[in-house]
Amino acid sequence: DTEVTQTPKHLVMGMTNKKSLKCEQHMGHRAMYWYKQKAKKPPELMFVYSYEKLSINESVPSRFSPECPNSSLLNLHLHALQPEDSALYLCASSQGRGLRQPQHFGDGTRLSIL
Amino acid sequence: AQTVTQSQPEMSVQEAETVTLSCTYDTSESDYYLFWYKQPPSRQMILVIRQEAYKQQNATENRFSVNFQKAAKSFSLKISDSQLGDAAMYFCAYRSYAASMEYGNKLVFGAGTILRVKS
Repeated sequence: DTEVTQTPKHLVMGMTNKKSLKCEQHMGHRAMYWYKQKAKKPPELMFVYSYEKLSINESVPSRFSPECPNSSLLNLHLHALQPEDSALYLCASSQGRGLRQPQHFGDGTRLSIL
Repeated sequence: AQTVTQSQPEMSVQEAETVTLSCTYDTSESDYYLFWYKQPPSRQMILVIRQEAYKQQNATENRFSVNFQKAAKSFSLKISDSQLGDAAMYFCAYRSYAASMEYGNKLVFGAGTILRVKS
């Protein structure tokens, strides 16, 4: 069982829909991450939150909007997505500035844009 | 910028045999961390093993061990006594010490190696 929980596991949406992906961890981690992963490719970093503040935004289009309401929860709000946004979206967490600590990943949300 | 190269897109191994996955990286830093992650079809990225660059001793986790050659910038993963459950995509990843202090723990991934295990 993963300690980082992502919901939903699958999501199909139209290009005009608004939806949100949710990620939750209860390990006391203070850094949380969103990645996008295409099939048979490595994950691409989208956003990093450190101590609930956005510390990295990898030039992600504004149709993706992250939110970190508290230290345990990370959301990714989706609006007006394009077919090329279909991918696996992975959430991860780590102990913040604990450099020796690795990132723990969730199972991901498989997103399909119609 | 750092880069990570995995030159083997696919590898196959017979069950109970040993296989080595290669990884090289490019960096000008002296302090950093290296990781191997496994991603089975179930999708979750699972940490297999990690190595701190300042440690000369190679990391070992049960059947998994690394050959860390800092001067050659090489970080290969050896899987002994391969099992069917080892079949997955394996990613080598680099994390900068300096960048982590300022920006958080950003990982640089290689392209991945698909490992197939034959019974």
